[in-house]
Amino acid sequence: NAGVTQTPKFQVLKTGQSMTLQCAQDMNHNSMYWYRQDPGMGLRLIYYSASEGTTDKGEVPNGYNVSRLNKREFSLRLESAAPSQTSVYFCASSEIAGGHYEQYFGPGTRLTVT
Amino acid sequence: QKEVEQDPGPLSVPEGAIVSLNCTYSNSAFQYFMWYRQYSRKGPELLMYTYSSGNKEDGRFTAQVDKSSKYISLFIRDSQPSDSATYLCAITGGFKTIFGAGTRLFVKA
Repeated sequence: NAGVTQTPKFQVLKTGQSMTLQCAQDMNHNSMYWYRQDPGMGLRLIYYSASEGTTDKGEVPNGYNVSRLNKREFSLRLESAAPSQTSVYFCASSEIAGGHYEQYFGPGTRLTVT
Repeated sequence: QKEVEQDPGPLSVPEGAIVSLNCTYSNSAFQYFMWYRQYSRKGPELLMYTYSSGNKEDGRFTAQVDKSSKYISLFIRDSQPSDSATYLCAITGGFKTIFGAGTRLFVKA
C-alpha cells in the first residue's frame, strides 16, 4: 500500500497564478484533510471531508477551495496564489479507531509563491 | 493564546539520555491526546495516543496525560540518533485535531 500520496512535491508560483494540489489514499478511509504547516505555527486545518460528498471549512480556509472527487481523492485549489500561501501542505486521511481518528499523512507539497 | 502550547526547542541531548517533551492545552473538551513524530521533509506519523489521565508505555516511549493540569508529556528512554525529529503533540475530538507547533529534538551520537 502506498498510503497517502501527494503531487506535486514542489511548486513555485507567481502571485495571482492558480494551481491544484492532488491527494490520493489507498486505505479506504472515509475522512480526508488538508493542512498547512508554517514555522512556529504547527499544522493548521484548511478543509476537511468527513466522507465522500461532504466538505467543511477548517481553521484557515480563506483563499482555498477543495473537491472530494471520490472516496480516494481530495484536491486543494488555490485560485489566485498570494505570498502568504507559501507553506508546506499536507494531506491526511483517517478512519475511526477505538473512538478516535488516527490520521495518516502524505509526504507534503512545498509551495513557494513569489 | 494557542489551544496547544509546545516549546519549539531545539532540544539537544547525548545518545542514551532520557528525553522529556511537554505540552499544555486549554480546552478540556478534547478527549484524546496524541504524539506525532515528523522527520525532516516528511509527513507526521502517529507515535502514540492516550485517552485518559495516566501513563501509556510503548517500548522506549511513555506518554503521560494529566487532565487536571491540562499537561501532556512524552518521555523517551535510551534516546538514539534515529529519534532526532520534530515531535508534535495533538489533542483531538471527533474530526477536529489541534496540533502543537512541535519540538525539534537532536540526539547526538
